[in-house]
Amino acid sequence: GAGVSQTPSNKVTEKGKYVELRCDPISGHTALYWYRQSLGQGPEFLIYFQGTGAADDSGLPNDRFFAVRPEGSVSTLKIQRTERGDSAVYLCASSLIGGMDFSGANVLTFGAGSRLTVL
Amino acid sequence: GENVEQHPSTLSVQEGDSAVIKCTYSDSASNYFPWYKQELGKRPQLIIDIRSNVGEKKDQRIAVTLNKTAKHFSLHITETQPEDSAVYFCAANGPYSSASKIIFGSGTRLSIRP
Repeated sequence: GAGVSQTPSNKVTEKGKYVELRCDPISGHTALYWYRQSLGQGPEFLIYFQGTGAADDSGLPNDRFFAVRPEGSVSTLKIQRTERGDSAVYLCASSLIGGMDFSGANVLTFGAGSRLTVL
Repeated sequence: GENVEQHPSTLSVQEGDSAVIKCTYSDSASNYFPWYKQELGKRPQLIIDIRSNVGEKKDQRIAVTLNKTAKHFSLHITETQPEDSAVYFCAANGPYSSASKIIFGSGTRLSIRP
């Protein structure tokens, strides 16, 4: 697609429920990132995919959070047993390539985000 | 772990004046430093980036400087305009084992006074 697409744009759920957030990256982008942004804060790194594999998941806060990218394109962030503290905007970003060679092809393009509210 | 500190958290300047935002990073192996602008309710967008092989980069009214010895980098906006009002984030990539991990600062809310 022309840009990074995220759905839903808004999600309101009750504490304890399960949610899935979807990211459709720019076509051909092999690297995909998930960030979480709370009000007044910078994007907080969650996980980075290179192709189908999670190359770095060190930012996932606990085992309630999980993400997949089975075909190396669309990714889903899954949150189990949601808590009020999970409320935030979840941002997805993609880049043409990942890795240590930052040659311009590693510039992140962000989606509009999914705003999650846990009541 | 990796850390990026950003200051000030808020900045108000008169239209036409310059604005400077400063960041420090913790890992000497970081080699990529992008800056993003986020307008209210919008997604972050890259405005300029710099790599460790240069000390300064300029793009029209925006410039970024990098001091690798001191592990700090700065964003300079000259001749500020109302449309420059936004939140600005600096970022740095992680160390060797996680060089693709981009860590963001906490942001600077820039307001341009008419």
